[in-house]
Amino acid sequence: DAKTTQPPSMDCAEGRAANLPCNHSTISGNEYVYWYRQIHSQGPQYIIHGLKNNETNEMASLIITEDRKSSTLILPHATLRDTAVYYCIVRTYNNNDMRFGAGTRLTVKP
Amino acid sequence: DSGVTQTPKHLITATGQRVTLRCSPRSGDLSVYWYQQSLDQGLQFLIQYYNGEERAKGNILERFSAQQFPDLHSELNLSSLELGDSALYFCASSTPQRGVQLNTGELFFGEGSRLTVL
Repeated sequence: DAKTTQPPSMDCAEGRAANLPCNHSTISGNEYVYWYRQIHSQGPQYIIHGLKNNETNEMASLIITEDRKSSTLILPHATLRDTAVYYCIVRTYNNNDMRFGAGTRLTVKP
Repeated sequence: DSGVTQTPKHLITATGQRVTLRCSPRSGDLSVYWYQQSLDQGLQFLIQYYNGEERAKGNILERFSAQQFPDLHSELNLSSLELGDSALYFCASSTPQRGVQLNTGELFFGEGSRLTVL
């Protein structure tokens, strides 16, 4: 699976949009971009994934650049409960392992 | 609730001992993954099983072993425990059987088993 690069930490004001970037310049054509988050010591939680089109669900939006070498996870109205470590992972759909990097620690401040 | 059940939630034991962590995957999921997370560290992938067969191996120590049973539950065995094995151990499942649910490649995580080695 391709490697990803994320900033180690970010801050965001409550109520504002949080934009979390991820670089995956070596992504292959059949690899998807997945985003997970881990709140404190809970089990990681799936947020969203996409192949090349932008995606939106009730939690977030995923913007993937046209060349697919980077993406941005957008939390439109961050709340204090969104404070967590966010992981960007690139992998195929099949049964391969999923390996997490260091992620971005997002702190939402009042 | 992810549908993945891990037991025990907490476990305290001594160095040199052996423990077994259990994972029941989401109903219908064929794949089970094990991860280790030490204090303030990232998630380290240990091993993956698919329908009873080992599929991928990560940074799993030789003192650790795992298996997936015919009913698809999995166990992670940790032996000759050391202080450094103290960590949260997460199990995740994915890959639903055909006809059960659409496979999105998403992993569903349990709440973890916290192991403390004294």
